[in-house]
Amino acid sequence: AQSVTQLGSHVSVSEGALVLLRCNYSSSVPPYLFWYVQYPNQGLQLLLKYTSAATLVKGINGFEAEFKKSETSFHLTKPSAHMSDAAEYFCAVTDTSGTYKYIFGTGTRLKVLA
Amino acid sequence: NAGVMQNPRHLVRRRGQEARLRCSPMKGHSHVYWYRQLPEEGLKFMVYLQKENIIDESGMPKERFSAEFPKEGPSILRIQQVVRGDSAAYFCASSPLAGSDNEQFFGPGTRLTVL
Repeated sequence: AQSVTQLGSHVSVSEGALVLLRCNYSSSVPPYLFWYVQYPNQGLQLLLKYTSAATLVKGINGFEAEFKKSETSFHLTKPSAHMSDAAEYFCAVTDTSGTYKYIFGTGTRLKVLA
Repeated sequence: NAGVMQNPRHLVRRRGQEARLRCSPMKGHSHVYWYRQLPEEGLKFMVYLQKENIIDESGMPKERFSAEFPKEGPSILRIQQVVRGDSAAYFCASSPLAGSDNEQFFGPGTRLTVL
C-alpha cells in the first residue's frame, strides 16, 4: 500500500531564505506524486505534479520538486521565500489500486519570518 | 469555467442532528472524491463516486455516513446523528478522468462544527 511521510510538521524560514519541505513516499509501483498548498480556511491548490515525464518538476509561484527514486523522495523547494508563501503544504501520492484516490501526508505548516 | 463548488461553507449542528454537505464538480467532471480533514491533521479519503455509482467507500465510517452522486445535481455527503468527533473540514474534489496522473480539483471545503 502507498504511504506518504512529511518530516517536520512546522517549518520556519526567513524571508529570502531557501524553502525545503520534505516528502518521502512508499509505493510498490512507479508513483504519481503531487504537492498542494492550502491557505487558511481555503481549499487545496495544486503546486506541481510528477507523472514520470521529468524528474525535476517546476510548479507555480517559483516552487519546484525533484523526484529521486533511489531515495523515495519528492522534496519541495523554493530558492527565496516570500511572506505570501506562509501556508500549509501537503504531499500526496495516487493510490494505484484502481480508484486513484489521493493518499496525503500529514502536512507541513510553513512560517515565513520577516 | 467555474471551479468546484461546495456549500455551505460553514455548518453548525447540534449533537444528534443531520448534516448535508453539497458538492458541484467542475463542468465536464464525472468523478468526485470526498476527503475529511480533522483539526491539525492531513486529509483522509472517504469516498469516491462516479455518476450514480459509489466506486470506493473504504474510507467512510460504516455508520451514520452516506454519499451519493445522482445523475442530475450535486454530490451529497450526509452525516446522520452527528457527534462532536464529526467536527472537521470536508473537502470535495473532482476529476474529468480516472487515472493516476489526473489532477483532482478541490473545492473550498465545508467546515462542520458540532456543538
